[in-house]
Amino acid sequence: DTAVSQTPKYLVTQMGNDKSIKCEQNLGHDTMYWYKQDSKKFLKIMFSYNNKELIINETVPNRFSPKSPDKAHLNLHINSLELGDSAVYFCASSPGPQLNNEQFFGPGTRLTVL
Amino acid sequence: AQSVTQLDSQVPVFEEAPVELRCNYSSSVSVYLFWYVQYPNQGLQLLLKYLSGSTLVESINGFEAEFNKSQTSFHLRKPSVHISDTAEYFCAVTEMDSSYKLIFGSGTRLLVRP
Repeated sequence: DTAVSQTPKYLVTQMGNDKSIKCEQNLGHDTMYWYKQDSKKFLKIMFSYNNKELIINETVPNRFSPKSPDKAHLNLHINSLELGDSAVYFCASSPGPQLNNEQFFGPGTRLTVL
Repeated sequence: AQSVTQLDSQVPVFEEAPVELRCNYSSSVSVYLFWYVQYPNQGLQLLLKYLSGSTLVESINGFEAEFNKSQTSFHLRKPSVHISDTAEYFCAVTEMDSSYKLIFGSGTRLLVRP
């Protein structure tokens, strides 16, 4: 009965490869997010979708492409992986995009690019 | 532009001692403030939040934080910590007129020793 789940938990790959991370929430929330946590634990928003529509798109390289097939899923596809993409990626969801909403986080996906 | 500063990257304390984790923010408009906790190998969980009203907010596990507008601070305190409180603590802020973005500090690792 996990609220926000991500797959895979660990991902090790070579530079130049293309990979995807999947996220699903069973909370019935309308809004989902992708965050990147770097090696210094600094957490930064990348994207947010509300009802399958993009509402936040930070200055992220266009090698990163989010896709929301429905409200319960927000996947992250990364093309031509680079060493600097190594990080922990967290998916999160909230009832709506309103600023006072609590965000519920997944367990994270640790991406290592060799 | 809004930013969040957590000056202490790590705070070691002995069990049953009091602790304060510092958080300062910068913003030119009204804000909502949050503390999230990240236990080892898990995603973030909301600990407490300030939206409006009383400047002192409490969590169910004994933490409290006080919003100080003049000092632009939202420090987290607990009078007596347990081993199980060992975790990474993140302060976060969102401006009431922002585009739904939650800005996180760099985190403070609370290490409780027996």
